[in-house]
This record gives sequence, structure tokens and C-alpha cells, in this order.
Amino acid sequence: NAGVTQTPKFQVLKTGQSMTLQCAQDMNHEYMSWYRQDPGMGLRLIHYSVGAGITDQGEVPNGYNVSRSTTEDFPLRLLSAAPSQTSVYFCASSLGLAGELFFGEGSRLTVL
Amino acid sequence: AQKITQTQPGMFVQEKEAVTLDCTYDTSDQSYGLFWYKQPSSGEMIFLIYQGSYDEQNATEGRYSLNFQKARKSANLVISASQLGDSAMYFCAMRVASDNYGQNFVFGPGTRLSVLP
Repeated sequence: NAGVTQTPKFQVLKTGQSMTLQCAQDMNHEYMSWYRQDPGMGLRLIHYSVGAGITDQGEVPNGYNVSRSTTEDFPLRLLSAAPSQTSVYFCASSLGLAGELFFGEGSRLTVL
Repeated sequence: AQKITQTQPGMFVQEKEAVTLDCTYDTSDQSYGLFWYKQPSSGEMIFLIYQGSYDEQNATEGRYSLNFQKARKSANLVISASQLGDSAMYFCAMRVASDNYGQNFVFGPGTRLSVLP
């Protein structure tokens, strides 16, 4: 049972480069989300989706894009990386309005 | 605004003792859910326990219990008989209705628990 799979686990970028963090879940969850974790700030919501074709912004959406073309996949795109985007990123999913969030293992991104 | 407050950045507890991690929340929603997650040094997020806003009984899961005081808007996590493996960061989280679609989860800043042998 794979659950939520994130790739890559580690990435180093230069300022201005672009990249995509991949997230896939095999639990048929409608709700998927991306968080960033920074020291002392807990997890902050970047973007979320309640189903294929439906996305919305969270607390810290600037500099990130998302799309949801299938129930399984929810990639996070950094269009022009900045040092302020150095963080640990978590993808998470849940079954609709009930149940807990299931998390991926996290992706550590460093922007130089 | 929806917010979770965890006022204890760090806590120490002796092995085999009980410990309470504080969590207060702010929401105007009547229906919400409260969660606790554990993040060990390896980095993964582990779900511990859940309490619904309409649940009258405090939730329990093994050595974890949630002390839910709705009027005070608090949802403290109690860990009984602490073990060395309980040393980790603990996050309190709340599921609330989002502005546009369905639901969202709000997390507190976390409490780092250290269990002493």
C-alpha cells in the first residue's frame, strides 16, 4: 500500500530555476494539499484541491502553481525559485470531509 | 480567523511519566475536527488521535488521549507512560470549512517533546 508518494525527496536549485514536486496517492482521496514546513511555523498550506479540476489557494500560495488533472496526482510547480522557498514540502490527502490527513514523506528543497 | 496555538515550544518528561501538550484553537465554525500528529526526527508525519467537535467523549488511542474542553477551546494531548520513542515534534491541527471549497487543515507551530531516561 503506497499511500502518498512524493518525489524527489531532496532537491537543490539555483535562484530562478523552475521545478515540479510530484505527488501521487492511491487511496482515491478527493482532497489533496501541499504544505511547507519552516522552523517554528508549523505547516502552512500552499494550495489545495477538492477534486480533479478544482484547486484553490491556501495561506502562502505566491510563487507556486498547481493543477489537478486526475484524482491521483497533484503536482506543485515552482516557476522561478527564490531562496525564501527553501523549505520542507509535504503533500497530504484525505477522504473528503472526514478522516485525517495522510502525508507523504516530505521533500527537502534548497534554493541557492 | 482560524488559528491553532501551542504555547510550549519544548517540553521535557521523565520516562514512564505522563505529559500533557497544550493546544488551543480559534474558530467560529460549529463543526470542526481536531487532530494531533507526531513528527519524529526522521521527518514523517504520523497521525495520533482525532476529536470531532460534536464528540462528547474524549478520544483515546492506546497511550494517547485528547483532553477536549470545548468551552475553553482547548484540545490537549496527554501521553501516558512516556517512552524514549515518544521524543518528537508534536503538532496540533484543526479541520475547518474553507472559504471556497470543502475543508482545510490549520496547524499549530508544534511542541518538541524530549523524553529523558
